[in-house]
Amino acid sequence: DGGITQSPKYLFRKEGQNVTLSCEQNLNHDAMYWYRQDPGQGLRLIYYSQIVNDFQKGDIAEGYSVSREKKESFPLTVTSAQKNPTAFYLCASSIDRLTKGTQYFGPGTRLLVL
Amino acid sequence: DQQVKQNSPSLSVQEGRISILNCDYTNSMFDYFLWYKKYPAEGPTFLISISSIKDKNEDGRFTVFLNKSAKHLSLHIVPSQPGDSAVYFCAASRPGTSYGKLTFGQGTILTVHP
Repeated sequence: DGGITQSPKYLFRKEGQNVTLSCEQNLNHDAMYWYRQDPGQGLRLIYYSQIVNDFQKGDIAEGYSVSREKKESFPLTVTSAQKNPTAFYLCASSIDRLTKGTQYFGPGTRLLVL
Repeated sequence: DQQVKQNSPSLSVQEGRISILNCDYTNSMFDYFLWYKKYPAEGPTFLISISSIKDKNEDGRFTVFLNKSAKHLSLHIVPSQPGDSAVYFCAASRPGTSYGKLTFGQGTILTVHP
């Protein structure tokens, strides 16, 4: 049963704290993405990775960091430098960066600031 | 710079009628377009796509039309059903090294009344 899993479903962050959102896929996809969704706005790209050990900044990368040590995993860290972290975070994957493939999304993680 | 725009934040239709969701884009380099459907607190799911070499693509009740000269695409749902009530995002991509990267519109909330 292939798919993308994200954990946790809800995450609470205290001031000055870094938190890490998990994203795992068993679709054997090369490319993985992190998006942020805010009310009334579309999905905005934070970071993306086309291959293991390589990743690129998206449109709103400031205050975030990622790693891609394994093909299946693409964790996102929301650092204390991100001043407005409250949002719904979505992870996605696609076969690779070259084919005209769709992106498959995980169920999302809602991050709230205490 | 919003390269993909969905100018209608919401749309309300009666069950059995046609739903028409619109999307405009500004970047003429976009050559592949997708529609995603999203329920609250879930990840988006792929609905239908269209390549710029076509002007229409159909899949069951869903049809996407592309007007390249007007840089406009639309999603038609016929007949609309209450289960279609969700947020609909259009997305676009362009060829090249960032092919897998999608640019999303802001979304349109569709409500189908029984």
